[in-house]
Amino acid sequence: DTGVSQDPRHKITKRGQNVTFRCDPISEHNRLYWYRQTLGQGPEFLTYFQNEAQLEKSRLLSDRFSAERPKGSFSTLEIQRTEQGDSAMYLCASSLGGQFNEKLFFGSGTQLSVL
Amino acid sequence: AQSVTQLGSHVSVSEGALVLLRCNYSSSVPPYLFWYVQYPNQGLQLLLKYTTGATLVKGINGFEAEFKKSETSFHLTKPSAHMSDAAEYFCAVISGSARQLTFGSGTQLTVLP
Repeated sequence: DTGVSQDPRHKITKRGQNVTFRCDPISEHNRLYWYRQTLGQGPEFLTYFQNEAQLEKSRLLSDRFSAERPKGSFSTLEIQRTEQGDSAMYLCASSLGGQFNEKLFFGSGTQLSVL
Repeated sequence: AQSVTQLGSHVSVSEGALVLLRCNYSSSVPPYLFWYVQYPNQGLQLLLKYTTGATLVKGINGFEAEFKKSETSFHLTKPSAHMSDAAEYFCAVISGSARQLTFGSGTQLTVLP
């Protein structure tokens, strides 16, 4: 178990630029989640995948956001035309199928700062 | 709809004192409840969870929580705080047909020497 890894740890970008984050879940985990966390708040759900299928998206996920999980392994989250309000910590988590009350394993997150 | 409320965004206790972090939930169906902890520069880690059965749940690092349906609460306790317990703690809920956790806003625990 090498844990969930996220890359990069930090990203600073200018407003209007596109950014892409990567998440590598624990290898045998078939569910993968993206959450967003702002200062003083708990993680907010963005989207989740079961294998390669994106099964649910939050209303928080505007059209500028897109996530993929090709081949059911790693996942990418892209934000187009970034805005200052996108500044947050983006968290990835994975779990091993079964019930939805299963333990989530979180990565350390990608901190995005939009200037 | 499911939600959690954590009372107190910051809690300070002395080393050796009781830790009590409060969490109340809202759910129209029986919930599954969780406590996660986030240490600086680390990912969230599961402390404990309640699904069904015994309402007093024991977790890692000496923490425990009690599910009280009548009070819609799931408070986290530890009899004696240690300096290493300083972290942010999040209560979370999942219930009904939901397929993702809903987190509270977190409580920052400070342990004073």
